[in-house]
Amino acid sequence: TQTVSQSDAHVTVFEGDSVELRCNYSYGGSIYLSWYIQHHGRGLQFLLKYYSGNPVVQGVNGFKAEFSKSDSSFHLRKASVHWSDSAVYFCAVSDVTNAYKVIFGKGTHLHVLP
Amino acid sequence: EAAVTQSPRNKVAVTGGKVTLSCNQTNNHNNMYWYRQDTGHGLRLIHYSYGAGSTEKGDIPDGYKASRPSQENFSLILELATPSQTSVYFCASGEGGAEQYFGPGTRLTVL
Repeated sequence: TQTVSQSDAHVTVFEGDSVELRCNYSYGGSIYLSWYIQHHGRGLQFLLKYYSGNPVVQGVNGFKAEFSKSDSSFHLRKASVHWSDSAVYFCAVSDVTNAYKVIFGKGTHLHVLP
Repeated sequence: EAAVTQSPRNKVAVTGGKVTLSCNQTNNHNNMYWYRQDTGHGLRLIHYSYGAGSTEKGDIPDGYKASRPSQENFSLILELATPSQTSVYFCASGEGGAEQYFGPGTRLTVL
């Protein structure tokens, strides 16, 4: 059974700080991993995806994520956050052989203070 | 610009009534999905479709039907709405690989 765990329900930082949002998964086969952002009252917006190759994936707006097979992790990072980055971030996993279905984590609410 | 749109954006229905939520995508994606989002449960898959004419059950299909009459359109139907179906519903399209594109959501309240 695939699972996605986002250990932090809330993360609070100041504008200009760096941030890491944590994602761990449990699955033995080949998978896709992705991150989404959801601003208040909006739909989810795709940020980035990893399948193979370079374990560091660049996304939009300065976000990047790093895949680690040994840690079963796919953490999202940003070097300098802006107040507009305040949102809920979802990690997601999909089995390569059954790629239609995506399992989403519970989400991490990022609060960026001025 | 390619997009996923949903209508209505807000809906108030009465218990036992019929509700139809509509979704349109201009991404030309084969796969479309309906999710509901509730506090404490995250996103849950209701129905999905591989293409026009196909519908498949997701993780929580009970009380919901789906219809995919064309590549662009995917509807979610609540034949007999209940208060437990009060939620925010999202439609999405994609080609697989954990990359989906979501609509803005429909807030449904069943009284």
